[in-house]
Amino acid sequence: ETGVTQTPRHLVMGMTNKKSLKCEQHLGHNAMYWYKQSAKKPLELMFVYSLEERVENNSVPSRFSPECPNSSHLFLHLHTLQPEDSALYLCASSQEFGTAVGFGPGTRLTVL
Amino acid sequence: GDSVTQMEGPVTLSEEAFLTINCTYTATGYPSLFWYVQYPGEGLQLLLKATKADDKGSNKGFEATYRKETTSFHLEKGSVQVSDSAVYFCALSEGAGGTSYGKLTFGQGTILTVHP
Repeated sequence: ETGVTQTPRHLVMGMTNKKSLKCEQHLGHNAMYWYKQSAKKPLELMFVYSLEERVENNSVPSRFSPECPNSSHLFLHLHTLQPEDSALYLCASSQEFGTAVGFGPGTRLTVL
Repeated sequence: GDSVTQMEGPVTLSEEAFLTINCTYTATGYPSLFWYVQYPGEGLQLLLKATKADDKGSNKGFEATYRKETTSFHLEKGSVQVSDSAVYFCALSEGAGGTSYGKLTFGQGTILTVHP
């Protein structure tokens, strides 16, 4: 139990659907992250929020839209995705620089 | 920019064999270094960490020493078990530049399979 939860754990969606991934951390951390893990590729950092403010957006397509309403919750809104977006999406959080990042279990997304 | 390079896998060992997974890094500042493990169907879990040169991180029989002179953080275990089969990721957390959060840069991961 890492203190970071993600829902749903599995999601199958069509290219025209709109869905959202949810992440919640119970650790009092100040920073939250979305990572994408695709087969045979390194983990890709997508978005970083520090104290509810987006501080990094690594050239992620606009069909991915993050939202951080408070320091405990992070969402990733998905719309008109492509099959190549199928991957494991990992949420993570950390207290501050140099401290360990705790990961959630991930959402396995399949885009048909 | 910062980067992490891990030895390519997959690594296949027999139970009780000695394990080494090499990791080297490039960083402009003084990063913290981490090893994460991902078991099948799960997210990443922190295995161990080191925050400054010559620190040794250890956990569950795994060890890694922060070597600034060789910019390395190799993972070792003296006797692996079948339950150690997983993907292992080396990572660094950026240092200078006013960053106030622990953004991680990951290596590509090394798949370890341990046979009975």
